[in-house]
Amino acid sequence: DQQVKQNSPSLSVQEGRISILNCDYTNSMFDYFLWYKKYPAEGPTFLISISSIKDKNEDGRFTVFLNKSAKHLSLHIVPSQPGDSAVYFCGALKGGLSGSRLTFGEGTQLTVNP
Amino acid sequence: GAGVSQSPSNKVTEKGKDVELRCDPISGHTALYWYRQSLGQGLEFLIYFQGNSAPDKSGLPSDRFSAERTGGSVSTLTIQRTQQEDSAVYLCASSWRVSNYEQYFGPGTRLTVT
Repeated sequence: DQQVKQNSPSLSVQEGRISILNCDYTNSMFDYFLWYKKYPAEGPTFLISISSIKDKNEDGRFTVFLNKSAKHLSLHIVPSQPGDSAVYFCGALKGGLSGSRLTFGEGTQLTVNP
Repeated sequence: GAGVSQSPSNKVTEKGKDVELRCDPISGHTALYWYRQSLGQGLEFLIYFQGNSAPDKSGLPSDRFSAERTGGSVSTLTIQRTQQEDSAVYLCASSWRVSNYEQYFGPGTRLTVT
């Protein structure tokens, strides 16, 4: 049962353009969402997060949008840079003191071409 | 300060042998998580610790897998009688506490069972 899905295994964009990475989830109990970036041979690096009480969170070139009714979130990177080329994982969790196990999507390989 | 460290970075073992993977979390982080990423798969939750206790072991794939954490710091993940399907990258993450949702990942241990 894949509760978090990233349907695009790869995405290629030109430097300076917008990258949009998508993520869908099925568990309505998820109330916190995070995006991680992963380079080869390294652990995932936290990028940006959003609580379910918000629909948008922005941090520099990165913006995450959450559409709770559609159970969909997206990560926008503007402008895209070659250094953004990495695998991006969407993660979701049920918050609270009972535990914060992250459920991840399969990842999307972003390639930004110079 | 130092990030999450894991050892060894690579481990090749024969089927049927036991292996032990180590994680050293960020100093002061009370919550510690183990995940794994099999080839072509997303990140899969295994177990988490709050302090030395493991309230959620539901992600461990079989009773050959066990983990412990002593002194509220270092954790070891042990896989007994390894099988080829255990081959994966094993990732450790830590956070200040379970209610802090941003988890910081180590570089991972690549386990290959031959």
